[in-house]
Amino acid sequence: AQTVTQSQPEMSVQEAETVTLSCTYDTSESDYYLFWYKQPPSRQMILVIRQEAYKQQNATENRFSVNFQKAAKSFSLKISDSQLGDAAMYFCAYGRNYGQNFVFGPGTRLSVLP
Amino acid sequence: NAGVTQTPKFRVLKTGQSMTLLCAQDMNHEYMYWYRQDPGMGLRLIHYSVGEGTTAKGEVPDGYNVSRLKKQNFLLGLESAAPSQTSVYFCASSYPRSSLPYNEQFFGPGTRLTVL
Repeated sequence: AQTVTQSQPEMSVQEAETVTLSCTYDTSESDYYLFWYKQPPSRQMILVIRQEAYKQQNATENRFSVNFQKAAKSFSLKISDSQLGDAAMYFCAYGRNYGQNFVFGPGTRLSVLP
Repeated sequence: NAGVTQTPKFRVLKTGQSMTLLCAQDMNHEYMYWYRQDPGMGLRLIHYSVGEGTTAKGEVPDGYNVSRLKKQNFLLGLESAAPSQTSVYFCASSYPRSSLPYNEQFFGPGTRLTVL
């Protein structure tokens, strides 16, 4: 069975600084997808960024980027120029086609300090 | 579009009571899911459905039943609630179009359930 691990239960970053959240996963599959979801205090789950395993190029969405290391099964999220609104729980997730194998990590709570 | 909606947003039950959580989506998605979220454990899949009239068990199905009588609705039932079912429940939906290589899930706002 696939597993997703986030080894940092909590992290903090100064406003305007850069922070990296770690995620590792375990799978025997070669074709899969990885996601970072953000959950602010409102509880709404918001997709931040996605990465297809077959793509070597790291995904980027504005201030958010990933470092995808397929051989190491590592998928970290870098947030640049952190803003107060980035404070939230961040979940790393693994998925395959047709979604039933969607597995979430335990989450990392990010605090942004003014 | 409202996206994915959940009813109710909050509920308090006594042990042994039953209830049904309703999830509705207006995106014509084929797949729907029920998760529970507990502190330190992320989201765990309870049941899912790949289409109208079909359901399947996820990681933590015990104590729950589901039904998907209409494509847009996915119901989660607790027949005899237990304190261990105190959690936040999320519904999600997705659409496995062949033109997309991945399957992003869209989430509802969650239901906070407390079982006393």
